Amino acid sequence: GAVVSQHPSRVICKSGTSVKIECRSLDFQATTMFWYRQFPKQSLMLMATSNEGSKATYEQGVEKDKFLINHASLTLSTLTVTSAHPEDSSFYICSAQAGGYTGELFFGEGSRLTVL
Amino acid sequence: DAKTTQPPSMDCAEGRAANLPCNHSTISGNEYVYWYRQIHSQGPQYIIHGLKNNETNEMASLIITEDRKSSTLILPHATLRDTAVYYCIVRVASGYALNFGKGTSLLVTP
Repeated sequence: GAVVSQHPSRVICKSGTSVKIECRSLDFQATTMFWYRQFPKQSLMLMATSNEGSKATYEQGVEKDKFLINHASLTLSTLTVTSAHPEDSSFYICSAQAGGYTGELFFGEGSRLTVL
Repeated sequence: DAKTTQPPSMDCAEGRAANLPCNHSTISGNEYVYWYRQIHSQGPQYIIHGLKNNETNEMASLIITEDRKSSTLILPHATLRDTAVYYCIVRVASGYALNFGKGTSLLVTP
């Protein structure tokens, strides 16, 4: 299947700092990418939909000014957690659409953020 | 998207077939059935998807009932590495996100 890579896989930061997570589609172009968050023992929750060259669409309850998403190219989307707090500690996962009408979504390995 | 119902957990002996059921009684005609799995602390992995015909690939088989209100994912010879949470998701088409439910936690035992 298509490969989606996330970086970093783990990050620890101090409260109040900002953290950027990158999501790359390695062998295909992705006009649409999705960002999810997963808390321990819970399912994945969609945060936002990212379309190349346009503003992201955020799900209800997700602060767009706190979770900045940039999808500047067909192979790269970034999620920046601004002024991170301990409650932002979570597993962040991106996914990218691989072509075709019934195109499967392929997921990155996830990025575990710990805010101290 | 239509909601799905899956048992919260299942056990399967190594080497046996694992049959994971999913109910999607409100599925509409243009919705596909997707199966993903998530091994602990990893991103979800695509397994298989279908519209109304049964599908098979190197990982699994997908059996969809004629009325499309339910489906079964079959792992023909389960291994310990198949221990994961399996998600059944229905989705209209490409361009839309996958909405994850709670899935089925499959434990494959020696």
